[in-house]
Amino acid sequence: EPEVTQTPSHQVTQMGQEVILRCVPISNHLYFYWYRQILGQKVEFLVSFYNNEISEKSEIFDDQFSVERPDGSNFTLKIRSTKLEDSAMYFCASSEALSLSPLHFGNGTRLTVT
Amino acid sequence: AQSVAQPEDQVNVAEGNPLTVKCTYSVSGNPYLFWYVQYPNRGLQFLLKYITGDNLVKGSYGFEAEFNKSQTSFHLKKPSALVSDSALYFCAVREWNNNNDMRFGAGTRLTVKP
Repeated sequence: EPEVTQTPSHQVTQMGQEVILRCVPISNHLYFYWYRQILGQKVEFLVSFYNNEISEKSEIFDDQFSVERPDGSNFTLKIRSTKLEDSAMYFCASSEALSLSPLHFGNGTRLTVT
Repeated sequence: AQSVAQPEDQVNVAEGNPLTVKCTYSVSGNPYLFWYVQYPNRGLQFLLKYITGDNLVKGSYGFEAEFNKSQTSFHLKKPSALVSDSALYFCAVREWNNNNDMRFGAGTRLTVKP
């Protein structure tokens, strides 16, 4: 069964540094998402992406965050200047076109900001 | 905006007993409802969904969920719990015409004791 893959599995960075989290969605999916989860608790929506542009973003997704689909397969989340409170698990997900399609999640990248 | 509530942080059941994990939702239109399970250090895995039709939907690993429009609920159930069912369970909702964000509940930790 096709999977969403995320790299790296764990990223440690210093406060103020830029990080890029990478994702390879399922190949025939058209919608892409980033979510984050702090301390194994609530899963928070960050952003959705379709047709090479952001469809919707939450209040969490401020100017420090950006997403990109640089080629036909990768989907990246960039945090320009990390803060301590950015420490979380970041999950990438993808889905088929229809709103009734479930999201397929990767195993996440654990970001630790020190 | 759509939202879900999972009123229980923790549910404990004995192996072999039936289990219920509760979820209520709020949407302005027709809801698409989903249940996901998360095992330690893994992404969320899709269990089942309600789109339309029969109010009782069956999913993976013997789980089922009952859609109740009057009570705006979508409780997850299993007739006989297994120790391996112990995990974090998330209810999620999406509006029927919204391909963008899927909103998740806060999660319920299910512990099945032998």
